[in-house]
Amino acid sequence: DVVLTQTPSTLSATIGQSVSISCRSSQSLLDSAGNTYLYWYLQRPGQSPQLLIYLVSNLGSGVPNRFSGSGSGTDFTLKISGVEAEDLGVYYCMQATHAPLTFGSGTKLEIK
Amino acid sequence: QVKLQQSGAELVKPGASVKLSCKTSGYTFSTSYMSWFKQIPGQSIEWIGMIYAGDGGTGYNQKFKGKATLTVDTSSSTAYMDLSSLTTEDSAVYFCARPYVYYGLLPYWGQGVMVTVSS
Repeated sequence: DVVLTQTPSTLSATIGQSVSISCRSSQSLLDSAGNTYLYWYLQRPGQSPQLLIYLVSNLGSGVPNRFSGSGSGTDFTLKISGVEAEDLGVYYCMQATHAPLTFGSGTKLEIK
Repeated sequence: QVKLQQSGAELVKPGASVKLSCKTSGYTFSTSYMSWFKQIPGQSIEWIGMIYAGDGGTGYNQKFKGKATLTVDTSSSTAYMDLSSLTTEDSAVYFCARPYVYYGLLPYWGQGVMVTVSS
């Protein structure tokens, strides 16, 4: 199975600060058709995951544009440009290029 | 709007089975897929498998073959997951989620159901 390694495991930020989360894959997530099935989800405390980014860099419906995704191959990044209080929770990257679908270990964002 | 409503928390004994439900509304269930996930509290998320409501076709994570069985009832727009031979390692929150366009693109999730396996 594809292993996704997220760093850091915990992130502490002040309101307005910009932060980045890294997601590294054990295999390239580029498929033979040229698609990269890498997603980012946020799970707020006690809630279900919610989609933030799909196909590396596309913003999910209703997701604020302070979130952005980038990367290719095996290295991917989620950036939050100006953290807000509602952004606290655990961020997961997820890949669907190789079966089975797998998630990273998560990055917990705390607000100082 | 799309809604996925999961059944309530379960407390089951080791060795028993449990059937979880995910009742949907707001979209055409019979031509859609449904995925199921497991999350042990404080840990990451695992994909269990996916079912196509149109013909009941399924795909499973090898890890959950023999543990989970996915079914649907198109008359009630409900997806089900049976978990068998439960052990304490099956204690977790289970989510249903509807893929959209791509099987990893999951904008719609149930609220999750806690299954506790204990004697």
